[in-house]
Amino acid sequence: KQEVTQIPAALSVPEGENLVLNCSFTDSAIYNLQWFRQDPGKGLTSLLLIQSSQREQTSGRLNASLDKSSGRSTLYIAASQPGDSATYLCAVPDTGRRALTFGSGTRLQVQP
Amino acid sequence: NAGVTQTPKFRVLKTGQSMTLLCAQDMNHEYMYWYRQDPGMGLRLIHYSVGEGTTAKGEVPDGYNVSRLKKQNFLLGLESAAPSQTSVYFCASSYGPGREQYFGPGTRLTVT
Repeated sequence: KQEVTQIPAALSVPEGENLVLNCSFTDSAIYNLQWFRQDPGKGLTSLLLIQSSQREQTSGRLNASLDKSSGRSTLYIAASQPGDSATYLCAVPDTGRRALTFGSGTRLQVQP
Repeated sequence: NAGVTQTPKFRVLKTGQSMTLLCAQDMNHEYMYWYRQDPGMGLRLIHYSVGEGTTAKGEVPDGYNVSRLKKQNFLLGLESAAPSQTSVYFCASSYGPGREQYFGPGTRLTVT
């Protein structure tokens, strides 16, 4: 059964820092990997989807990388802002490519 | 284009009561999903549907029923609510297997 782990569980940084969030998965035979953002009391917003054939995907200040062989993905946030404060979740499709298996998330706080 | 919407946003039930959560999507997606999110447990799949008139069990289906009578709607029912069903419920949809999933804003349910 696929397991997804995110480290660290929480992170607090001053505004302007570049930071990296980590996601690891146990079964490297993934179809893709999706990064989400969740604000307190809100739903999930899709940030990036990186296909298994891709190494990187970029959107604005966000860059996601994928290394299937090592079972890892990283989300890089450049020049962090207080508005980036949220919980970031990574997820991969299950074996049947139906539902997503989620990590437990990294709670990010960017201090002004 | 509203995306994925959920009603109601909040609900309080007494043990043994029943209710139905409604999910609607306007993206013509084939696949729809119901997840629950609990502290320390992450998001877990309850039921899903791969098309109108079809449903299937996910990881934690007990105590829930679903129906997909129309392509755009996916209903989640609790026949006899229990305190263990206190959670935040999220609906999601996608074009197909392994495709990007889009989430609704969630329903916060408390069972007393």
